[in-house]
Amino acid sequence: AQRVTQPEKLLSVFKGAPVELKCNYSYSGSPELFWYVQYSRQRLQLLLRHISRESIKGFTADLNKGETSFHLKKPFAQEEDSAMYYCAPRKGGSGGSNYKLTFGKGTLLTVNP
Amino acid sequence: EAGVTQFPSHSVIEKGQTVTLRCDPISGHDNLYWYRRVMGKEIKFLLHFVKESKQDESGMPNNRFLAERTGGTYSTLKVQPAELEDSGVYFCASSPHTTGAYGYTFGSGTRLTVV
Repeated sequence: AQRVTQPEKLLSVFKGAPVELKCNYSYSGSPELFWYVQYSRQRLQLLLRHISRESIKGFTADLNKGETSFHLKKPFAQEEDSAMYYCAPRKGGSGGSNYKLTFGKGTLLTVNP
Repeated sequence: EAGVTQFPSHSVIEKGQTVTLRCDPISGHDNLYWYRRVMGKEIKFLLHFVKESKQDESGMPNNRFLAERTGGTYSTLKVQPAELEDSGVYFCASSPHTTGAYGYTFGSGTRLTVV
């Protein structure tokens, strides 16, 4: 069965500290992984895609196929990073049900001053 | 460009009534998705349109839910009759690319409360 696990429901760090939001997945084949973020009173928005290997707002995420993980990291957290973060894989490829995302339960990150 | 727009933003209805949610995707986006988050649970997929056709409706919970996308533009999601467990936030998203590899653009959601 396809599953995604975000083990931390809540994560609290101080400004300037490193932060890592964990995500583990269980998917057959070659899934595509995404991180979505929802800031307070804003809509859900795409943060990162694993296929682009980009850094957005200082965040990076590396797909580790051996550990089936896609942890989100930032070396120095900022107060404006406080938000709900969702890991969301999809099957990958085209056709059929491959486009739908499976969302983790989310991690609420709080960055304290 | 205008984003994904959902109407209404909030809806409170009584059990047994009918509610229709609307989603206007970004112009030109062929792919339209409905998701929902029931209280305390994760965001779950409902269905996916490609233009006016249902590509995947495996997440629709039961036959009280009917989604349409006539003309391949906006979409409606009707719940009839509504039950208490239908309460939650209903999200719509759209994407231009067939594979969805670039991710979706989400609407702000409709918060549905069934009392």
